[in-house]
Amino acid sequence: DVVVTQSPLSLPVTLGQPASISCRSSQSLVYSDGNTYLSWFQQRPGQSPRRLIYKVSNRDSGVPDRFSGSGSGTDFTLKISRVEAEDVGVYYCMQGAHWPWTFGQGTKVEIK
Amino acid sequence: EVQLVESGGGLVQPGGSLRLSCAASGFIFSRHVMHWVRQAPGKGLESVAGISTDGGDTFYGNFVKGRFIISRDNSKNTLYLQMGSLRDDDMGVYYCVREAMTGSPDYWGQGTLVTVSS
Repeated sequence: DVVVTQSPLSLPVTLGQPASISCRSSQSLVYSDGNTYLSWFQQRPGQSPRRLIYKVSNRDSGVPDRFSGSGSGTDFTLKISRVEAEDVGVYYCMQGAHWPWTFGQGTKVEIK
Repeated sequence: EVQLVESGGGLVQPGGSLRLSCAASGFIFSRHVMHWVRQAPGKGLESVAGISTDGGDTFYGNFVKGRFIISRDNSKNTLYLQMGSLRDDDMGVYYCVREAMTGSPDYWGQGTLVTVSS
């Protein structure tokens, strides 16, 4: 299976400050169709995961523009430009280029 | 509105069986690849199984090892997961997930809890 590694696993952030999460895969996530299948999910306490970003940098409808994704190949980043209280939760990256889908361990974002 | 509603979870003894269902609505079910993803208590996310739009192709996480069968009934807009030889480490919330045309899961159900215990 493709191993997906996130860092950090815990991220205390001050309200209004930026946050950044790294995601690295053990293999390239560029699929045969030329697309790179790396997504980001947010899981708030007690809720199901919600997709924020797909194909590296495409934001889902309704996702605030303070969230952005970037990267290529095996190295990716999720950035929150200014953290708000509602951003508390666990963030997962996921690769969909190889079966089975594999997820990072999760990064817990909390307010300092 | 897209809705995925799982059912069928519960308490089962080690070695036992359980059948999960997922009722889909608000979209054309037969046009989407569907998946089951699970989450052990306090842990991360893990792909369990996926199934093609017509049910002709199925794929499983390596840990399944022939114990689970994913299926679908497009006439009933329902996804299933038949689980057998359940073990302690199969315990967790099982999510029904729709794969978007963009190739990643865009909608998740609320999950159904599977508890394996004697």
